[in-house]
Amino acid sequence: NAGVTQTPKFQVLKTGQSMTLQCAQDMNHNSMYWYRQDPGMGLRLIYYSASEGTTDKGEVPNGYNVSRLNKREFSLRLESAAPSQTSVYFCASRRLAGVDNEQFFGPGTRLTVL
Amino acid sequence: AQSVAQPEDQVNVAEGNPLTVKCTYSVSGNPYLFWYVQYPNRGLQFLLKYITGDNLVKGSYGFEAEFNKSQTSFHLKKPSALVSDSALYFCAVRLFSGGYNKLIFGAGTRLAVHP
Repeated sequence: NAGVTQTPKFQVLKTGQSMTLQCAQDMNHNSMYWYRQDPGMGLRLIYYSASEGTTDKGEVPNGYNVSRLNKREFSLRLESAAPSQTSVYFCASRRLAGVDNEQFFGPGTRLTVL
Repeated sequence: AQSVAQPEDQVNVAEGNPLTVKCTYSVSGNPYLFWYVQYPNRGLQFLLKYITGDNLVKGSYGFEAEFNKSQTSFHLKKPSALVSDSALYFCAVRLFSGGYNKLIFGAGTRLAVHP
């Protein structure tokens, strides 16, 4: 199993450009998450999908949209990138929502917005 | 406000010595607590969790953590540190808020183990 995979690994955008971060998991997990990691702030939840067909906002959803394409894939879109969105983005998945099992994380996408 | 605090930005330990990475939490109800580790340029990896039962939980790579309800702490420990333990460590608590279960992460503590 590859676990949770993310593409691309690195990306540089200019302000106002758009892009989609891709995430896929091969563990048949129901729930998927997008986080951003900023220095000194831990991880903050952007959006999550408790199950296929549902998506909900997390703590910091402004400027982002998501699509749960199928059970495996959960993409994050920046419609008009801003320098404040420079961050490392992590996708994660979990077997069942609402249960106490752990999340599995992808390797991250390092995004710089100029 | 419900939160997780890791009071140390960095912990320095000599190889072979015991290590402790501190975590305190402020949540209502019974907390579900987690420790994750992040190696350079990698995603977070699960180390261990406390849900209920024995206050001392054992996890991966020889790590353990002690849940202390009265002190609202969940410190990560290892009896003998290795250089390869050098990484960024995150404490997290699961809580139900805003209609969903979510993980609240601490800011992270960088562990540096010196030969």
